[in-house]
Amino acid sequence: EAQLVQSGAEVKKPGESLRISCEGSGYSFTNFWIGWVRQRPGKGLEWMGLIHPGDSDTKYSPSFQGQVIISADKSIRTAYLQWNNLKASDTAMYYCARPYFVARHDAFNIWGQGTMVTVSS
Amino acid sequence: SYVLTQPPSVSVAPGKTATITCGGDNIGTKSVHWYQQKPGQAPVMVIYYDNDRPSGIPERFSGSHSGNTATLTISRVDAGDEADYYCQVWHTGSDLGVFGGGTKLTVL
Repeated sequence: EAQLVQSGAEVKKPGESLRISCEGSGYSFTNFWIGWVRQRPGKGLEWMGLIHPGDSDTKYSPSFQGQVIISADKSIRTAYLQWNNLKASDTAMYYCARPYFVARHDAFNIWGQGTMVTVSS
Repeated sequence: SYVLTQPPSVSVAPGKTATITCGGDNIGTKSVHWYQQKPGQAPVMVIYYDNDRPSGIPERFSGSHSGNTATLTISRVDAGDEADYYCQVWHTGSDLGVFGGGTKLTVL
């Protein structure tokens, strides 16, 4: 069974760095894109970007370009979302998700459990 | 950027049909996906490629789109359908995904 397992909740201070992870299992990790989705408290889903672990091709939504870094290590079947200068406005639940099929435009049918990131002084 | 517009809320009585819309420029020419999200849970795909249902999703869920509107229809609604619903498309112009703002479905 394909699944994505994310790292645990984080509490950070403004200006700090952070990297959260998303480990894939039960499928060919290098064949499927992995996307990241933000959900601020009480708000809707926001499409951040995605990465193809096979060749590290990465696409960012303009709202997140330059604000986060998406990466992957195919040797350990893990995708990452990284910040180098956290802000209070980054406080949110972050989901990784895998498309149903191999194309990046496919619907996300496999979702991680989410990682809550809290940024507060 | 491409914008998808959903009504913030929809209410329906049990046993009736819920209709949730998703507006976007020429959305009828795009593939539309729909997700259900219950409180404290990750989203679940309920419709992909306009009107395909993944295994485990009841036939009561269906999708359609035409012109500038896509629609998720849930027939014979029950309390278990109460959730937030999001539409999503792939915008080929920017080669990026986009979510609608979400609609909270309340079962009266």
